Amino acid sequence: DTGVSQNPRHKITKRGQNVTFRCDPISEHNRLYWYRQTLGQGPEFLTYFQNEAQLEKSRLLSDRFSAERPKGSFSTLEIQRTEQGDSAMYLCASRTSGEGKYNEQFFGPGTRLTVL
Amino acid sequence: DAKTTQPTSMDCAEGRAANLPCNHSTISGNEYVYWYRQIHSQGPQYIIHGLKNNETNEMASLIITEDRKSSTLILPHATLRDTAVYYCGVNRDDKIIFGKGTRLHILP
Repeated sequence: DTGVSQNPRHKITKRGQNVTFRCDPISEHNRLYWYRQTLGQGPEFLTYFQNEAQLEKSRLLSDRFSAERPKGSFSTLEIQRTEQGDSAMYLCASRTSGEGKYNEQFFGPGTRLTVL
Repeated sequence: DAKTTQPTSMDCAEGRAANLPCNHSTISGNEYVYWYRQIHSQGPQYIIHGLKNNETNEMASLIITEDRKSSTLILPHATLRDTAVYYCGVNRDDKIIFGKGTRLHILP
């Protein structure tokens, strides 16, 4: 399978614990995105990378959230001191950079986080 | 922020064309309209996107009004496997701003 992969698929944690999610984009896709989706809502943008550079962070991304893409390939999203409001599906997407008509973002299956 | 509005839910008979509307009245001139769908517990699946011209691919057609303030996604021959939540979004500064989606029910 050459699509975007995410691990773990599900994570249950207790409030106050730290969690880390991993995303492996499609090979050679240099742009990588993180979105968050809560029940009944569409995905909301969190942050994105061009290779290893983090280009933008949403106001949704509090200081407890940090994302990295150290070698420009896979990315990690860490949430420190989790809160119940962090419970959501965390989605990763990737695409090739540049303008153009055929420039869609491809999404992974997501990591569902439940904070107890 | 770019905002899209969609009906909460729609029904369509199997074999008929499903027409899903989306309003994006605050869209800017260089922002693309994107459509994705999501089946329960899976990641969003890309369907189609466009700027101002109508677009067609193997999955669907996208009709964008001349003023670009609204668009319609057309699934020409809906099947039960098309049951999903369909999201319309606008690509602003390389991030897609999604609406709340339309839950499409295909009726046998």
